[in-house]
Amino acid sequence: QKEVEQDPGPLSVPEGAIVSLNCTYSNSAFQYFMWYRQYSRKGPELLMYTYSSGNKEDGRFTAQVDKSSKYISLFIRDSQPSDSATYLCAMRPEGNNDMRFGAGTRLTVKP
Amino acid sequence: GAVVSQHPSRVICKSGTSVKIECRSLDFQATTMFWYRQFPKQSLMLMATSNEGSKATYEQGVEKDKFLINHASLTLSTLTVTSAHPEDSSFYICSARADRNSPLHFGNGTRLTVT
Repeated sequence: QKEVEQDPGPLSVPEGAIVSLNCTYSNSAFQYFMWYRQYSRKGPELLMYTYSSGNKEDGRFTAQVDKSSKYISLFIRDSQPSDSATYLCAMRPEGNNDMRFGAGTRLTVKP
Repeated sequence: GAVVSQHPSRVICKSGTSVKIECRSLDFQATTMFWYRQFPKQSLMLMATSNEGSKATYEQGVEKDKFLINHASLTLSTLTVTSAHPEDSSFYICSARADRNSPLHFGNGTRLTVT
């Protein structure tokens, strides 16, 4: 079993839809949780960064962390074609370099 | 926001030659930088952790004599692929963070093609 599980998709939605992306993990020591967006042939771009459980909102993006269920989510409201990319979840324990990445979910938002 | 600059973005070299890739943190100091390799449609694979002023820590299976890492300053780390072979062709991405509580910020990657 992988430490971080993420459905690779592909996921295709119409423009304006609400997108839900998820990751599960097995290591209860993870404390920092991140979502990155990666366009083709580019490096990952940090979207959301949260510590421990809770919600965080930034514009059209909302990140949720449920440590009791070892489950994190990223919601994209009013999705746009420019949101089409691969979304990677990432997490690590406190005071530790040991970052773990999900496989990435490929999202396409159709106009 | 934090910016990490990586150069070159694309390089083509002949088999047997060496290629140097630079990674710079532009608006913050990074005591630790990380080098990743990414194969098509796959996630990031950590190659090594680069600490300023000390030797890099390599992941299992990564040849340290082939992938030379130098982190000479708080804003610059370099990865040199020595005696490159076609199987080294890949997308290499660096990342950096300001401190232990900060997230990683990534460069835009370098696509290496060895002919």
